[in-house]
Amino acid sequence: DIQMTQSPSSLSASVGDRVTITCRASQGISNSLTWFQQKPGKAPESLIYAASSLQSGVPSKFSGSGSGTDFTLTISSLQPEDFATYYCQQYYMYPLTFGGGTKVEIK
Amino acid sequence: EVQLVESGGGLVQPGGSLRLSCAASGFTFSDHYMDWVRQAPGKGLEWVGRGRDKANGYTTEYAASVKGRFTISRDDSKNSLYLQMNSLEIEDTAVYYCVRASGRRGSYGLDVWGKGTTVTVSS
Repeated sequence: DIQMTQSPSSLSASVGDRVTITCRASQGISNSLTWFQQKPGKAPESLIYAASSLQSGVPSKFSGSGSGTDFTLTISSLQPEDFATYYCQQYYMYPLTFGGGTKVEIK
Repeated sequence: EVQLVESGGGLVQPGGSLRLSCAASGFTFSDHYMDWVRQAPGKGLEWVGRGRDKANGYTTEYAASVKGRFTISRDDSKNSLYLQMNSLEIEDTAVYYCVRASGRRGSYGLDVWGKGTTVTVSS
Protein backbone atom coordinates (compact mmCIF):
# COMPACT_ATOMS: atom_id res chain seq x y z
CA ASP A 1 0.00 0.00 0.00
CA ILE A 2 1.06 3.59 -0.60
CA GLN A 3 1.62 5.43 2.70
CA MET A 4 0.72 9.10 2.82
CA THR A 5 2.54 11.14 5.45
CA GLN A 6 1.32 14.61 6.33
CA SER A 7 3.24 17.21 8.23
CA PRO A 8 2.78 18.82 10.56
CA SER A 9 0.05 16.85 12.33
CA SER A 10 -1.16 20.10 13.85
CA LEU A 11 -0.31 23.77 13.69
CA SER A 12 -1.38 27.00 15.33
CA ALA A 13 -1.75 30.06 13.15
CA SER A 14 -3.29 33.51 13.22
CA VAL A 15 -5.89 35.03 10.95
CA GLY A 16 -4.11 36.39 7.90
CA ASP A 17 -1.20 33.94 8.09
CA ARG A 18 0.04 31.99 5.10
CA VAL A 19 -0.12 28.28 5.91
CA THR A 20 1.56 25.38 4.13
CA ILE A 21 0.83 21.69 4.73
CA THR A 22 2.99 18.95 3.27
CA CYS A 23 2.03 15.47 2.11
CA ARG A 24 4.58 12.84 1.11
CA ALA A 25 3.78 9.57 -0.67
CA SER A 26 5.83 6.44 -0.03
CA GLN A 27 6.13 5.96 -3.80
CA GLY A 28 5.44 8.04 -6.87
CA ILE A 29 1.77 8.82 -7.52
CA SER A 30 2.13 11.21 -10.46
CA ASN A 31 -0.39 13.98 -9.71
CA SER A 32 -3.16 11.68 -8.42
CA LEU A 33 -3.74 13.55 -5.19
CA THR A 34 -6.71 15.27 -3.59
CA TRP A 35 -6.85 17.62 -0.62
CA PHE A 36 -9.89 17.68 1.66
CA GLN A 37 -11.02 20.01 4.43
CA GLN A 38 -13.07 18.67 7.33
CA LYS A 39 -14.73 20.72 10.04
CA PRO A 40 -15.85 19.14 13.34
CA GLY A 41 -18.98 17.04 12.96
CA LYS A 42 -19.12 17.58 9.21
CA ALA A 43 -18.29 15.55 6.13
CA PRO A 44 -15.02 16.30 4.33
CA GLU A 45 -15.10 18.65 1.36
CA SER A 46 -12.83 18.42 -1.64
CA LEU A 47 -10.56 21.43 -2.19
CA ILE A 48 -7.97 20.36 -4.74
CA TYR A 49 -7.80 17.46 -7.19
CA ALA A 50 -5.03 16.30 -9.52
CA ALA A 51 -2.62 17.89 -7.04
CA SER A 52 -3.15 21.47 -8.20
CA SER A 53 -6.63 21.89 -9.70
CA LEU A 54 -9.15 23.83 -7.66
CA GLN A 55 -12.54 22.20 -7.17
CA SER A 56 -15.45 24.27 -8.44
CA GLY A 57 -16.58 26.79 -5.86
CA VAL A 58 -13.43 26.61 -3.74
CA PRO A 59 -11.87 30.04 -3.08
CA SER A 60 -8.57 30.82 -4.77
CA LYS A 61 -6.81 31.32 -1.44
CA PHE A 62 -6.34 27.55 -1.54
CA SER A 63 -3.66 26.20 -3.85
CA GLY A 64 -1.91 22.89 -4.33
CA SER A 65 1.36 21.88 -5.90
CA GLY A 66 3.62 18.91 -6.38
CA SER A 67 4.03 15.75 -8.35
CA GLY A 68 5.57 12.35 -7.79
CA THR A 69 6.03 11.98 -4.05
CA ASP A 70 5.93 15.49 -2.55
CA PHE A 71 2.88 17.74 -2.40
CA THR A 72 1.82 20.91 -0.64
CA LEU A 73 -1.42 22.64 0.20
CA THR A 74 -1.16 26.37 0.78
CA ILE A 75 -3.74 28.72 2.29
CA SER A 76 -2.66 32.20 1.29
CA SER A 77 -4.41 34.17 4.03
CA LEU A 78 -6.00 32.16 6.82
CA GLN A 79 -9.53 33.16 7.72
CA PRO A 80 -11.68 32.05 10.70
CA GLU A 81 -13.63 29.62 8.51
CA ASP A 82 -10.40 27.85 7.50
CA PHE A 83 -9.71 26.42 10.93
CA ALA A 84 -10.29 22.73 10.30
CA THR A 85 -8.50 19.45 9.67
CA TYR A 86 -6.97 18.89 6.24
CA TYR A 87 -6.33 15.51 4.63
CA CYS A 88 -4.48 14.44 1.51
CA GLN A 89 -5.44 11.30 -0.40
CA GLN A 90 -3.79 9.43 -3.25
CA TYR A 91 -5.91 7.81 -5.92
CA TYR A 92 -3.05 6.51 -8.06
CA MET A 93 -3.31 2.94 -6.84
CA TYR A 94 -5.65 0.73 -4.86
CA PRO A 95 -6.19 0.78 -1.98
CA LEU A 96 -6.78 4.51 -1.96
CA THR A 97 -5.04 5.93 1.10
CA PHE A 98 -5.30 9.09 3.19
CA GLY A 99 -2.75 11.04 5.11
CA GLY A 100 -3.21 11.23 8.86
CA GLY A 101 -4.53 14.77 8.78
CA THR A 102 -3.31 18.23 9.78
CA LYS A 103 -5.35 20.13 12.33
CA VAL A 104 -5.16 23.87 11.84
CA GLU A 105 -5.95 25.71 15.07
CA ILE A 106 -6.24 29.33 16.09
CA LYS A 107 -3.17 30.83 17.75
CA GLU B 1 -28.10 20.16 -6.56
CA VAL B 2 -25.74 17.21 -6.37
CA GLN B 3 -26.58 15.22 -3.25
CA LEU B 4 -25.73 11.94 -1.57
CA VAL B 5 -27.81 10.74 1.37
CA GLU B 6 -26.76 7.73 3.41
CA SER B 7 -29.06 5.62 5.55
CA GLY B 8 -29.13 2.31 7.36
CA GLY B 9 -26.68 2.94 10.16
CA GLY B 10 -27.35 1.83 13.71
CA LEU B 11 -26.26 -0.31 16.62
CA VAL B 12 -25.33 -3.91 15.87
CA GLN B 13 -23.67 -6.65 17.89
CA PRO B 14 -20.26 -8.05 16.97
CA GLY B 15 -20.68 -10.70 14.30
CA GLY B 16 -23.86 -9.11 13.04
CA SER B 17 -24.76 -7.60 9.68
CA LEU B 18 -25.96 -4.26 8.43
CA ARG B 19 -26.77 -2.84 5.01
CA LEU B 20 -26.08 0.80 4.26
CA SER B 21 -27.74 2.65 1.41
CA CYS B 22 -26.80 5.82 -0.42
CA ALA B 23 -29.34 7.72 -2.50
CA ALA B 24 -27.86 9.94 -5.18
CA SER B 25 -29.49 12.87 -6.92
CA GLY B 26 -28.59 15.84 -9.06
CA PHE B 27 -26.18 14.03 -11.39
CA THR B 28 -26.01 11.02 -13.70
CA PHE B 29 -25.30 8.36 -11.11
CA SER B 30 -24.70 5.62 -13.66
CA ASP B 31 -21.70 7.47 -15.11
CA HIS B 32 -19.71 7.52 -11.90
CA TYR B 33 -17.57 5.24 -9.81
CA MET B 34 -18.83 5.42 -6.21
CA ASP B 35 -16.90 4.85 -2.99
CA TRP B 36 -17.45 4.26 0.69
CA VAL B 37 -15.12 5.97 3.18
CA ARG B 38 -15.34 5.64 6.95
CA GLN B 39 -14.12 7.53 9.98
CA ALA B 40 -13.82 5.94 13.40
CA PRO B 41 -14.56 8.21 16.38
CA GLY B 42 -11.78 10.74 16.80
CA LYS B 43 -9.74 9.18 14.00
CA GLY B 44 -8.79 9.95 10.40
CA LEU B 45 -10.40 8.90 7.15
CA GLU B 46 -10.21 5.33 5.86
CA TRP B 47 -11.18 4.26 2.35
CA VAL B 48 -13.47 1.22 2.44
CA GLY B 49 -14.08 0.38 -1.18
CA ARG B 50 -15.29 1.29 -4.66
CA GLY B 51 -18.03 0.26 -7.01
CA ARG B 52 -17.30 0.85 -10.68
CA ASP B 53 -19.87 1.73 -13.31
CA LYS B 54 -21.60 -0.52 -15.85
CA ALA B 55 -19.04 0.30 -18.53
CA ASN B 56 -16.43 -1.24 -16.25
CA GLY B 57 -18.47 -4.27 -15.36
CA TYR B 58 -19.74 -3.09 -11.99
CA THR B 59 -16.51 -4.44 -10.55
CA THR B 60 -15.38 -3.58 -7.05
CA GLU B 61 -12.29 -2.88 -4.97
CA TYR B 62 -11.93 -3.16 -1.20
CA ALA B 63 -9.60 -2.24 1.60
CA ALA B 64 -7.86 -5.26 3.10
CA SER B 65 -9.56 -4.59 6.45
CA VAL B 66 -13.02 -5.28 5.00
CA LYS B 67 -12.35 -7.59 2.07
CA GLY B 68 -14.41 -10.77 2.33
CA ARG B 69 -16.79 -9.20 4.86
CA PHE B 70 -18.17 -6.15 3.03
CA THR B 71 -19.81 -6.03 -0.39
CA ILE B 72 -20.49 -2.96 -2.49
CA SER B 73 -23.33 -3.01 -5.00
CA ARG B 74 -25.36 -0.49 -6.90
CA ASP B 75 -28.71 -0.14 -8.61
CA ASP B 76 -28.45 2.46 -11.35
CA SER B 77 -32.23 2.33 -11.92
CA LYS B 78 -32.67 3.61 -8.35
CA ASN B 79 -29.60 5.87 -8.32
CA SER B 80 -28.45 3.98 -5.27
CA LEU B 81 -25.25 2.55 -3.84
CA TYR B 82 -25.16 -0.09 -1.14
CA LEU B 83 -22.70 -1.47 1.40
CA GLN B 84 -23.51 -4.88 2.81
CA MET B 85 -21.49 -5.39 5.98
CA ASN B 86 -21.23 -8.87 7.46
CA SER B 87 -19.22 -10.31 10.37
CA LEU B 88 -19.02 -6.87 11.89
CA GLU B 89 -16.25 -6.16 14.37
CA ILE B 90 -15.96 -3.50 17.07
CA GLU B 91 -13.28 -1.87 14.91
CA ASP B 92 -15.90 -1.26 12.20
CA THR B 93 -17.54 1.36 14.42
CA ALA B 94 -17.43 4.57 12.40
CA VAL B 95 -19.28 7.15 10.40
CA TYR B 96 -19.66 5.77 6.88
CA TYR B 97 -19.63 8.22 3.99
CA CYS B 98 -20.86 7.65 0.46
CA VAL B 99 -18.57 9.51 -1.95
CA ARG B 100 -18.64 10.20 -5.67
CA ALA B 101 -15.53 9.74 -7.78
CA SER B 102 -15.23 12.28 -10.56
CA GLY B 103 -13.72 12.12 -14.00
CA ARG B 104 -13.36 9.16 -16.30
CA ARG B 105 -12.67 6.07 -14.19
CA GLY B 106 -12.36 8.27 -11.12
CA SER B 107 -9.37 10.07 -12.57
CA TYR B 108 -10.18 13.30 -10.74
CA GLY B 109 -10.50 11.76 -7.31
CA LEU B 110 -13.36 11.99 -4.84
CA ASP B 111 -15.41 15.16 -5.10
CA VAL B 112 -18.87 14.89 -3.50
CA TRP B 113 -19.54 13.46 -0.03
CA GLY B 114 -22.72 12.55 1.77
CA LYS B 115 -23.28 13.60 5.38
CA GLY B 116 -22.60 10.08 6.61
CA THR B 117 -24.39 7.44 8.63
CA THR B 118 -23.15 6.11 11.97
CA VAL B 119 -22.49 2.43 12.57
CA THR B 120 -21.83 1.27 16.11
CA VAL B 121 -20.71 -2.28 16.75
CA SER B 122 -21.07 -3.15 20.40
CA SER B 123 -22.40 -5.86 22.66
